[in-house]
Amino acid sequence: AQKVTQAQTEISVVEKEDVTLDCVYETRDTTYYLFWYKQPPSGELVFLIRRNSFDEQNEISGRYSWNFQKSTSSFNFTITASQVVDSAVYFCALSEAKTGTASKLTFGTGTRLQVTL
Amino acid sequence: DTAVSQTPKYLVTQMGNDKSIKCEQNLGHDTMYWYKQDSKKFLKIMFSYNNKELIINETVPNRFSPKSPDKAHLNLHINSLELGDSAVYFCASSQEQAVGGSPLHFGNGTRLTVT
Repeated sequence: AQKVTQAQTEISVVEKEDVTLDCVYETRDTTYYLFWYKQPPSGELVFLIRRNSFDEQNEISGRYSWNFQKSTSSFNFTITASQVVDSAVYFCALSEAKTGTASKLTFGTGTRLQVTL
Repeated sequence: DTAVSQTPKYLVTQMGNDKSIKCEQNLGHDTMYWYKQDSKKFLKIMFSYNNKELIINETVPNRFSPKSPDKAHLNLHINSLELGDSAVYFCASSQEQAVGGSPLHFGNGTRLTVT
């Protein structure tokens, strides 16, 4: 069975600090996908990134960066120079690779990030 | 233009009632989903349809019945509502590729409160 663990329930930082959100996953599949979603206070779920299990390159998008390490089954998310607008619940998710039907995402329990002035 | 839209945004009803939540996507995706987010923010898949065909049906009480009249719509009907059904229900869609693992695009959620 697939499992995603986000051990950090809540993190508080002061604006401009860097913060890393941890994600550890378990799967027996050799091919799988990892995702991060953001849920701001307004409640919608916003897709941030997808990685497949064969691509271990780190990715950077503006102040966001992701570190995928297959050896430790981790897919961590770092926000550099955090801003108040980054305050949200962040979810890590795992999907097995199934051809052409549906993606069944297994979500972690989320990490609530609070950025204050 | 909203990509995945759900109505209503809020739904307050009494135990025992029957209610429906509607979902429409204009992304041209083939696959649609219903997810439930409980009070602790935990997200869990309920159903998935691909081109109007039921693909995923998790262990959901049969009081919940999804209906997909076409691939752009996936509605959720709930009979005999119970207090434990109170949650936020998210509709989502994806365009599945040959290798799978497509990102889901979520609607804004419907907050259901059963009193």
